[in-house]
Amino acid sequence: QKEVEQDPGPLSVPEGAIVSLNCTYSNSAFQYFMWYRQYSRKGPELLMYTYSSGNKEDGRFTAQVDKSSKYISLFIRDSQPSDSATYLCAMSFNQGGKLIFGQGTELSVKP
Amino acid sequence: GAVVSQHPSWVICKSGTSVKIECRSLDFQATTMFWYRQFPKQSLMLMATSNEGSKATYEQGVEKDKFLINHASLTLSTLTVTSAHPEDSSFYICSAIRGGNTEAFFGQGTRLTVV
Repeated sequence: QKEVEQDPGPLSVPEGAIVSLNCTYSNSAFQYFMWYRQYSRKGPELLMYTYSSGNKEDGRFTAQVDKSSKYISLFIRDSQPSDSATYLCAMSFNQGGKLIFGQGTELSVKP
Repeated sequence: GAVVSQHPSWVICKSGTSVKIECRSLDFQATTMFWYRQFPKQSLMLMATSNEGSKATYEQGVEKDKFLINHASLTLSTLTVTSAHPEDSSFYICSAIRGGNTEAFFGQGTRLTVV
């Protein structure tokens, strides 16, 4: 069993749709949770960062962490074609520690 | 925002030769840098953790003699792929942590093709 599981997709939605991306994990010691966006042949770009359980909102993006269920989510409201990319969840045990990534979900937003 | 620059962006080399990839933090001092490898449509796999002035810590299954990592200063880490073979062809990405911070800032990646 992988430490971090993420549905690879691909996921295709129409422009304006609400997108829900999810990851599950097995190690309850993870404390820091992140979502990265990666365009083709580019390095990942940090979208959201959350410590422990709870919600965090930034513009059209909302990140949720449920440590009791070992489940994290990223919601994208009013999705745009420019949101088309691969979204990677990542988590770490400690501050500044190594990141364990999910497989990434490929998202395509159609105009 | 913090900027991490990786060079080169792509490189093609002959089998048996060595290739060096540089990772620089341009506007901050990076106490820790990480090197990842990514195959097409797969996730980033951590290869090693690099701290300035000390030996890198390699993940299980990563050959330290093949993937040489040097973190000579707080703004530069290098990954040298020695005696490269076609199976080493991949996308290599570095990230850097600013001291006292938790965010990891990623370079743009280096696509290595060994022919």
